Formats: sequence, C-alpha cells, structure tokens
Amino acid sequence: GESVGLHLPTLSVQEGDNSIINCAYSNSASDYFIWYKQESGKGPQFIIDIRSNMDKRQGQRVTVLLNKTVKHLSLQIAATQPGDSAVYFCAENEGRGSARQLTFGSGTQLTVLP
Amino acid sequence: DAGVIQSPRHEVTEMGQEVTLRCKPISGHNSLFWYRQTMMRGLELLIYFNNNVPIDDSGMPEDRFSAKMPNASFSTLKIQPSEPRDSAVYFCASTEARREQYFGPGTRLTVT
Repeated sequence: GESVGLHLPTLSVQEGDNSIINCAYSNSASDYFIWYKQESGKGPQFIIDIRSNMDKRQGQRVTVLLNKTVKHLSLQIAATQPGDSAVYFCAENEGRGSARQLTFGSGTQLTVLP
Repeated sequence: DAGVIQSPRHEVTEMGQEVTLRCKPISGHNSLFWYRQTMMRGLELLIYFNNNVPIDDSGMPEDRFSAKMPNASFSTLKIQPSEPRDSAVYFCASTEARREQYFGPGTRLTVT
C-alpha cells in the first residue's frame, strides 16, 4: 500500500504580515528550547533559543515565547518576507548532566504569499 | 568558518552495498550528532559523540548501522548492507559547550 508521510501543519501568510508558529512540547523537565528553520534541500538552521528561566526572548525580526504552564512555545516573525518560507522546527532539551540531545517536533511549513 | 561539512551530498547505491557517510564538525566543537530525516518519521537522532566517545546510540536502527569518530575533526556513519528503507537524508550536527547544534547540508541517500 501507499505509505503515509508526516502531515506537516501549514501556515500561509501575506508578505509583510506577522507570522506566529506554535509548538507544544511534552517533557515538563525540558529547560532549553530552540527554533530551527529548514529550507528545501538544506540542513536545519538555528534561529533563536530560550531557557526555561525566561518567558520571552527577542532576536532580529523574531521573538520566542515560552509558556511552561501549558508547555507551549511560539515563534513570531515580524514583517514576513519571501525568504522566510521554510519548515520551522521547535526542539527541546532536558539538559541532564552532559546530555545534549535535542528532541525535535514534526515541523510547520510556512509559505509566504506575494 | 566553513560550518559542518558532509560528503557525499548525494549517494545512490544498490541494495546490499556498503555506504559510508562522512562528516567534519566545526572546529572546536566537542559534540557531534548524526540524524536521519524522512517524510515518514521526521528528524531522528541516531547517535551522538562527546569528545569523540559515543554517548548514546539508542537511535541507531539496527546492527547494519555503525558510527565512528576517530578524532575531533572526523566522523563516519556506515550502513552495511544497505536496504531501500534506509533511503533518507542524513545530517551531521556539532556543538560546543552551548546547546544549539549546527547542522551540515546533509547527504541524500537513495538505495535502489
């Protein structure tokens, strides 16, 4: 039979609008979170990170919000541009000892419309 | 800095053949990770090394997969024998003391 792939959530936004990409994480012990951007044919690229002792962190045109109560992470992109079209992954890390494994979400496909 | 370097970028091989994927981490990074990405399963961690020592290989699918890191600037992921279900994009990533990982461009493996 035909195999079924991951069904990525998709988000389409008009160029110039703001984008909000959401992520739910599962491990309440996770204390570090990262957002990655993956363009077609390329490896994931680091965007921004946040530690659990913060609830907001801003970068250039991007803001990450962390709500530990409901285990929710979001990435806000201001004035979305065509170059922002990509799959966006959140990742979490529990940070025990020297462990550095990241657990990745399934990703969200962002499409910027002209 | 050239970033994480992976080779080859594309590999097409026949079922039963041995495949070796190579990775050069960013200089000064002391942890190296191998991931596999497929449409079915997304991005999966296969194995990671810390200071050239394998720390967690629980993600390695089966004994056909093996990874080595003989020195701080080189790692290999080997599949022997390869099977069609191994077709995927394989990424190498590295990091230093901080936890953000930097990914290479990946190797797209097709096993026919």
